[in-house]
Amino acid sequence: SQKIEQNSEALNIQEGKTATLTCNYTNYSPAYLQWYRQDPGRGPVFLLLIRENEKEKRKERLKVTFDTTLKQSLFHITASQPADSATYLCALPLLYNQGGKLIFGQGTELSVKP
Amino acid sequence: GAGVSQTPSNKVTEKGKYVELRCDPISGHTALYWYRQSLGQGPEFLIYFQGTGAADDSGLPNDRFFAVRPEGSVSTLKIQRTERGDSAVYLCASSLGTSGSKETQYFGPGTRLLVL
Repeated sequence: SQKIEQNSEALNIQEGKTATLTCNYTNYSPAYLQWYRQDPGRGPVFLLLIRENEKEKRKERLKVTFDTTLKQSLFHITASQPADSATYLCALPLLYNQGGKLIFGQGTELSVKP
Repeated sequence: GAGVSQTPSNKVTEKGKYVELRCDPISGHTALYWYRQSLGQGPEFLIYFQGTGAADDSGLPNDRFFAVRPEGSVSTLKIQRTERGDSAVYLCASSLGTSGSKETQYFGPGTRLLVL
């Protein structure tokens, strides 16, 4: 069955450094992949979507890569700030190129220290 | 504009009781989703609606769980004979559609359900 894995250990970095989070998936080939941010007690907030024919996508200080051969996505936050501290989730559509059911990873907690 | 809202924000009930959780999606969003999230885990899909009909209910864990969306807007998730294992955060999301650029899901704050 389809499976998504993210770094289970929390990531602690110093302000100003680049944070890199990993999302690996197995047993299927999604048409796209999404990254969400979740703060404690809140619902996930959509950040970026990258499609299978896109190698890299950027939005302000965020950069996402998508390697369909390795079945991996990397999520980078450059010049990190304490306000970036949150849990980051990757998500994939269960059905190829159809919306609806998303499968989420367990999330990676990021802590940026001043 | 208003985002997805969910009520109540917290619900404490006793084992065996019936609960209803409500979701108000973003106006104009035709697709509505329910997920369940346990501590330290990502959201787990339960069901989604396209309009009034359930397009995919494969994530509902058993027949104690049921959801409706009678007018294609507000949805209610209903849980009968609650069990302690049902304790979790129940998240609702909506999207403009389910294809192309319309598929981005916008989440509500969730309802925290505690079954004693």
